[in-house]
Amino acid sequence: EIVLTQSPGTLSLSPGERATLSCRASQSVSSSYLAWYQQKPGQAPRLLIYGASSRATGIPDRFSGSGSGTDFTLTISRLEPEDFAVYYCQQYGSSPPHTFGQGTKLEIK
Amino acid sequence: QVQLQESGPGLVKPSETLSLTCAVSGYSISSGYYWGWIRQPPGKGLEWIGSIYHSGSTYYNPSLKSRVTISVDTSKNQFSLKLSSVTAADTAVYYCARIVGPGPIDYWGQGTLVTVSS
Repeated sequence: EIVLTQSPGTLSLSPGERATLSCRASQSVSSSYLAWYQQKPGQAPRLLIYGASSRATGIPDRFSGSGSGTDFTLTISRLEPEDFAVYYCQQYGSSPPHTFGQGTKLEIK
Repeated sequence: QVQLQESGPGLVKPSETLSLTCAVSGYSISSGYYWGWIRQPPGKGLEWIGSIYHSGSTYYNPSLKSRVTISVDTSKNQFSLKLSSVTAADTAVYYCARIVGPGPIDYWGQGTLVTVSS
């Protein structure tokens, strides 16, 4: 089973700033099969990025994903008030389970 | 617009079986995609439980495999989760979802809280 470790656990930033979230895998994620999700309190997660760098339908271009192998990054270029939430990465390149990271909470500074 | 809606008891006794159903609208399950279940204990992260293809092929989390059954009913356009011998550790919000691939999850239900308690 691939273990995903996200850092930092909590990120405190102000609107307008740039956010960089990390997701590290315990072994290489094949074909960059990595996704990012955003979850707000009381809501289901929302798909942001798949295939490490492809934006899902309707996702603003301030969200971008990068990386390969074991190191992946989600970048939010300029934070909007609605971007403060918890972010999860998920790998789906190996046999199930398609594990999730433990999450990064992005909070307003 | 694809919509998924979970239904089932919100309270289950320890050692009993948790049963949930996910009704899908806006898309025919028999047309393709994988369909799955993910759970989230209160205040914690996400755990992938398992998935099923419209043909009936299933994939389960090894940590739950001995207790989990996912099935599909294409005539009702719904799929189901059964988790046996539950304990308090199974208390969570359970989400049903559409899975691209098998891969990323593009549509989620709103989630339903299931509490395991006597």
